[in-house]
Amino acid sequence: AQTVTQSQPEMSVQEAETVTLSCTYDTSESDYYLFWYKQPPSRQMILVIRQEAYKQQNATENRFSVNFQKAAKSFSLKISDSQLGDAAMYFCAYRLSGGSNYKLTFGKGTLLTVNP
Amino acid sequence: DTGVSQDPRHKITKRGQNVTFRCDPISEHNRLYWYRQTLGQGPEFLTYFQNEAQLEKSRLLSDRFSAERPKGSFSTLEIQRTEQGDSAMYLCASSQTEQPQHFGDGTRLSIL
Repeated sequence: AQTVTQSQPEMSVQEAETVTLSCTYDTSESDYYLFWYKQPPSRQMILVIRQEAYKQQNATENRFSVNFQKAAKSFSLKISDSQLGDAAMYFCAYRLSGGSNYKLTFGKGTLLTVNP
Repeated sequence: DTGVSQDPRHKITKRGQNVTFRCDPISEHNRLYWYRQTLGQGPEFLTYFQNEAQLEKSRLLSDRFSAERPKGSFSTLEIQRTEQGDSAMYLCASSQTEQPQHFGDGTRLSIL
């Protein structure tokens, strides 16, 4: 079974600084997707960024980028120029590619605090 | 695109009662997922539908839980004879085939 581990229950960053959230996963599959979702307090989960495992190039979305290390099964999220609105719970998630069930397997999350 | 809508946002009920939640997915999405999220945990998969067909159920989904998606549109999740352990946030998500899932705000269930 696939598992996702987020070893940092909480992180904090100063506004305008950079922070990196860690995620490792375990799978025997070679073709899959990885995601970072953001869940603000009492608000819906929003997709931040996704990475296809077959792509060597790291995904980037504006201030958000990932460091995908397939051999190490590591998938960290870097947030640059942190803003107060980035404060949220961040979940790393895994999904198989292909097949029929695209269910997501989530980590326990990292609570990010942004200090003004 | 009005997003995924869930109703109610909060449900408080006494142990032993039945509850039903509704999810309205994004209209063109053919896949609909239910997840459960307890405090301090990430969401856990419960079940999913492709159109009106329920194709997989997690072992977390005991026989007290039932989900439907008639006509492949909205979905309902019913919990019969609720227990304290059912207290959680129930999240619905939808997607168009392989595209990323879009989540609703969730229904928070509290069992007294």
